[in-house]
Amino acid sequence: QSVLTQPPSASGTPGQRVTVSCSGSRSNIGTNTVHWYQQLPGTAPKLLIYINSQRPSGVPDRFSGSKSGTSASLAISGLQSEDEADYYCAAWDDSLNGVVFGGGTKLTVL
Amino acid sequence: QLQLHESGPGLVKPSQTLSLTCNVSGGSITSSSYYWGWIRQPPGKGLQWIGSIYYSGITYYNPSLESRVTISVDTAKNQFSLKLSSVTAADTAVYFCARDLILTAPAAFDYWGQGTLVTVSS
Repeated sequence: QSVLTQPPSASGTPGQRVTVSCSGSRSNIGTNTVHWYQQLPGTAPKLLIYINSQRPSGVPDRFSGSKSGTSASLAISGLQSEDEADYYCAAWDDSLNGVVFGGGTKLTVL
Repeated sequence: QLQLHESGPGLVKPSQTLSLTCNVSGGSITSSSYYWGWIRQPPGKGLQWIGSIYYSGITYYNPSLESRVTISVDTAKNQFSLKLSSVTAADTAVYFCARDLILTAPAAFDYWGQGTLVTVSS
């Protein structure tokens, strides 16, 4: 059981907008920043969003992040087939004194 | 361009110690701005942070693994290492090394190695 809760799956059609949620608690998302990773099949995770809503250089602006209270969301607009991947949220947890990840959401582009 | 590369045995026997090294190229491991971490992913499952180290040797570990984990750094070789003792089949996973942005964005890892699969089996 992961400390951060994500839906196991999500789907959308090309061009659609999809969102992935990440639910935590006061000791992690409620107090600290949230980051999102994209993991394409057979590859290492890639930092997609950091500090709730910042995009690293090279990440398309189709990807956006937000945080409210003890939850966070990743939104992908103009969905493309190459967006089919696993997405993970992560945050620091003050109670556990360590990094916690969500269980991951598998995004399927129909 | 910063690159990280994991190396080590792909097969470890139960009760033995898993040892991996991460070689950092294209940048210095002694940068004052970053820590260096290990994350693992069991087959078909999610990510688990193992621990991280600063070039000075300061470490912080996942409390659930802390009793079995040692992370060390060799600044002369620009690499850092992971040792996980008393392994069981549950430690079978792909092990990634990554650059840790804890000083500015805790839980953000911006550069990753490609990962190495370690199987625990007799």
